[in-house]
Amino acid sequence: EPEVTQTPSHQVTQMGQEVILRCVPISNHLYFYWYRQILGQKVEFLVSFYNNEISEKSEIFDDQFSVERPDGSNFTLKIRSTKLEDSAMYFCASVQTGGYGETQYFGPGTRLLVL
Amino acid sequence: GQNIDQPTEMTATEGAIVQINCTYQTSGFNGLFWYQQHAGEAPTFLSYNVLDGLEEKGRFSSFLSRSKGYSYLLLKELQMKDSASYLCAVREGPGYSTLTFGKGTMLLVSP
Repeated sequence: EPEVTQTPSHQVTQMGQEVILRCVPISNHLYFYWYRQILGQKVEFLVSFYNNEISEKSEIFDDQFSVERPDGSNFTLKIRSTKLEDSAMYFCASVQTGGYGETQYFGPGTRLLVL
Repeated sequence: GQNIDQPTEMTATEGAIVQINCTYQTSGFNGLFWYQQHAGEAPTFLSYNVLDGLEEKGRFSSFLSRSKGYSYLLLKELQMKDSASYLCAVREGPGYSTLTFGKGTMLLVSP
């Protein structure tokens, strides 16, 4: 069964450094999302992406964040200058066409630790 | 604003039935999802309701009442592997729009 994949599974970085989290959505899916989950807290929406542009973003997704689809398969989340509070699990998700009854499929996540 | 409430924790014994409730107050509604999340792993889809009533899927069922802003997930014949967090999520807009999650209910199944 097709699945969303993410790399790396874990990333440790120093405060102020840039990180890039990578996702490969399911191949025939058209809508892509990034969510994060701080340890012990709820899953929070960051950004959605469709047709090579951001379709929606939350207030968490400030100027330090950016997303890209550099080729036909990868979908990346970049944090320009990491802060301690960026430590979280970051999940990528995708939806096929966004039609009735469709659900979002989540990747296994990248655990980011900012020191 | 958006508000999705679930109990923080529940405990049950193997073989039993447990019902996890979710209430929501959102500006729009276009479906309610239940996900299962084991510690350190991704949420995995369990069920989806957009019309009132009960949806059954094996040992799992989910119910929705839109007028009451209420859903529950029913797990039957509990197994130890069902110990996990159960997340209620609401989609407020079209099918491609984002999900708003509750804080999750941690279910502990004991022998």
